[in-house]
Amino acid sequence: EPEVTQTPSHQVTQMGQEVILRCVPISNHLYFYWYRQILGQKVEFLVSFYNNEISEKSEIFDDRFSVERPDGSNFTLKIRSTKLEDSAMYFCATGQTEVGEAFFGQGTRLTVV
Amino acid sequence: EDQVTQSPEALRLQEGESSSLNCSYTVSGLRGLFWYRQDPGKGPEFLFTLYSAGEEKEKERLKATLTKKESFLHITAPKPEDSATYLCAVQPYNTDKLIFGTGTRLQVFP
Repeated sequence: EPEVTQTPSHQVTQMGQEVILRCVPISNHLYFYWYRQILGQKVEFLVSFYNNEISEKSEIFDDRFSVERPDGSNFTLKIRSTKLEDSAMYFCATGQTEVGEAFFGQGTRLTVV
Repeated sequence: EDQVTQSPEALRLQEGESSSLNCSYTVSGLRGLFWYRQDPGKGPEFLFTLYSAGEEKEKERLKATLTKKESFLHITAPKPEDSATYLCAVQPYNTDKLIFGTGTRLQVFP
């Protein structure tokens, strides 16, 4: 069964450093998303990406955050100048259409120390 | 403001004891309502999509229903392996994003 693959599973970084979270989407999916979940809290939308550009972003997705598809297959989330409050589980999700179910990866646990 | 409220926060059931989880929503216009299952430390696993009031979907021991204000996830004769957090999410019109509730943590004991 096709699945969304995320790497690394756990990333520890020092405050102020840059991190890149990687995702391999399901092959025929065209819509890509990043969500995050702070421990014990709701899953929150960060950004959606379609046709090589951002289609929507939340207030959380400030100018420290960026996304791209560097090689047409991987989908990455970059966070610059990380803060303690960036510590969370980050989920990549992909979908075939803009309406309908999104399939989530297993997540990357980001810990900023 | 679009929002999703799930109840109860936690539910403990004996194996075989059927029950229902509630998801109440307020949204300007509903594109779809989604149920996910989340195991500890894992990503949400898609279960169902519901698009319009009156719609029902079933999968094994789970059945999801939808009205104009809420959705129910009915669990019939649950087993311990059904233990997980069940998440409800809505997708409003004119947006890509899913808005999630806080989930119901279900524990099924043998």
